[in-house]
Amino acid sequence: DIVMTQSPTSMSISVGDRVTMNCKASQNVGSNVDWYQQKTGQSPKLLIYKASNRYTGVPDRFTGSGSGTDFTFTISNMQAEDLAVYYCMQSNSYPYTFGAGTKLELK
Amino acid sequence: EVQLVESGGGLVQPGRSLKLSCAASGFTFSDYYMAWVRQAPTKGLEWVASISYDGGSTYYRDSVKGRFTISRDNAKSSLYLQMDSLRSEDTATYYCTTDEEVEDYWGQGVMVTVSS
Repeated sequence: DIVMTQSPTSMSISVGDRVTMNCKASQNVGSNVDWYQQKTGQSPKLLIYKASNRYTGVPDRFTGSGSGTDFTFTISNMQAEDLAVYYCMQSNSYPYTFGAGTKLELK
Repeated sequence: EVQLVESGGGLVQPGRSLKLSCAASGFTFSDYYMAWVRQAPTKGLEWVASISYDGGSTYYRDSVKGRFTISRDNAKSSLYLQMDSLRSEDTATYYCTTDEEVEDYWGQGVMVTVSS
């Protein structure tokens, strides 16, 4: 199975910060990486698909980049409503695999 | 409005079976691959299984292969997960979701607890 190593595990941030997290795949997954947001008590929501494509209705402060094995997700201007756990997932081949998540907390 | 509504969860003893259902509405169900994703308490997301448009192809994570069966009924716009030989490590919230990147829909999740 493809292992998705996500870092960091958590971040203490302030409103207005630029937030960057990373995912490294254990083998080449092309551009087939998605990023999800999960707020406490809610179902996950897709933010970015195929590494860099913003899903419908997602604000442009959320961006993704990367290909092959290294991927980055950025929130350019952190808002309070962005507090959540963020997961990367490779959809290049079954079994799909998720990173362990990055939890954003207020400083 | 798109809706995915899971049902069938609950408390079950190890070794027993449970069948989850997911009722879809608001989109053309037969046009979508579908999947089950689970999340153990306080843990991360874990893909469980996917199924093709007509049910002809199915895919499973190794830890559930041979124990879980994903299926669908397009006439009823419903997705199912038959879970046999349940183990304590199967305890989780199970989400029904589309396995399509450009159309991402999720249910609210249903809790399955495997315990004696």
